Amino acid sequence: NAGVTQTPKFQVLKTGQSMTLQCAQDMNHNSMYWYRQDPGMGLRLIYYSASEGTTDKGEVPNGYNVSRLNKREFSLRLESAAPSQTSVYFCASSEGWQGETQYFGPGTRLLVL
Amino acid sequence: GESVGLHLPTLSVQEGDNSIINCAYSNSASDYFIWYKQESGKGPQFIIDIRSNMDKRQGQRVTVLLNKTVKHLSLQIAATQPGDSAVYFCAENSWSKLSFGAGTTVTVRA
Repeated sequence: NAGVTQTPKFQVLKTGQSMTLQCAQDMNHNSMYWYRQDPGMGLRLIYYSASEGTTDKGEVPNGYNVSRLNKREFSLRLESAAPSQTSVYFCASSEGWQGETQYFGPGTRLLVL
Repeated sequence: GESVGLHLPTLSVQEGDNSIINCAYSNSASDYFIWYKQESGKGPQFIIDIRSNMDKRQGQRVTVLLNKTVKHLSLQIAATQPGDSAVYFCAENSWSKLSFGAGTTVTVRA
């Protein structure tokens, strides 16, 4: 039981490049989330998926897109990376709706030059 | 806006002493609270939670206290160990959404 896994662990991009961050969970959770974490700030919600087949914007969705591929997988795509998107990205999942305990992956550290 | 905040950004504790980490929240309707621990280079890890119908909950070496009157939450760690060095942050379930504080960095002195 791996919990929440994320790939890649670390990525360097040039401004304007695109990439997809992958996330998978093996806990049979219904809801999945993408957050970014910047120094001195709390986790900020980018997008979430309350159930398979649905996605919704969070607090900071601009510049990102997501896909809930199936119940296990939830990907985050940067179409045209910008230096402001340099951050640590965390995927999380919960059994039910947002207000329940969320379990986090190890994170992806992204540097945009 | 940010509804969850921590009283101190850093806390230095002597190994073996007890640690107390505080958190203030602003939404009196919040009904569920979680403490997370985040070690350097890792993702947040669930420590303990508490619902608003309780004022205390104990886990292994950790205790969470909830004071709804002053909207205050605290995490107590007994006999702090070097492995407890991390960032701790609280999360609040407010209107079916989790809001996270920025965190308190706990450093354990040998």
